[in-house]
Amino acid sequence: KAGVTQTPRYLIKTRGQQVTLSCSPISGHRSVSWYQQTPGQGLQFLFEYFSETQRNKGNFPGRFSGRQFSNSRSEMNVSTLELGDSALYLCASREGYQETQYFGPGTRLLVL
Amino acid sequence: AQSVTQLGSHVSVSEGALVLLRCNYSSSVPPYLFWYVQYPNQGLQLLLKYTSAATLVKGINGFEAEFKKSETSFHLTKPSAHMSDAAEYFCAVSLTGTASKLTFGTGTRLQVTL
Repeated sequence: KAGVTQTPRYLIKTRGQQVTLSCSPISGHRSVSWYQQTPGQGLQFLFEYFSETQRNKGNFPGRFSGRQFSNSRSEMNVSTLELGDSALYLCASREGYQETQYFGPGTRLLVL
Repeated sequence: AQSVTQLGSHVSVSEGALVLLRCNYSSSVPPYLFWYVQYPNQGLQLLLKYTSAATLVKGINGFEAEFKKSETSFHLTKPSAHMSDAAEYFCAVSLTGTASKLTFGTGTRLQVTL
């Protein structure tokens, strides 16, 4: 099976803009989670979607939002970008209630 | 709430030497524990996981970890380091039977020298 794919891999935006990141899970996986990785804060959980419903949410402001489509693909949106949003955004998928998450290569976002 | 502490942000070993990366967890319920590895400019790759079966867990690339409830530890070991093991390693915990939120440690960067 193909692994988790994320697009784009690299992105440069300016403050105040918005951005949408995409994640395609492993075939058959219905759960998609998003994580932010920064040198200062490490790896932090953003949110998880399962069958198009948000099941869990981390401690991030409302500027961070997501959605999941019927084919399990997920998008993450960040509005009104701030310099501190520069990070590697990782997507992970898992099959139903199994515990193992499989990560994609990430999207590196740079906000100028 | 659960948390993970990784002792040592940087560990350096010689090629062929024992690798020991430390991880201690805190969880109010029996946890699931994971070790992931991250190579430069890549995502996270699962090395191994503990999900309440055998306490000694074997993973990929010769790594293994032992779950010790009395010490709340899940240290990662490899008998003989290889240059290709140089990477960043993350210990993570999740609660059993719940949503998939992983709580990560701060990571340990492993350097392997000749």
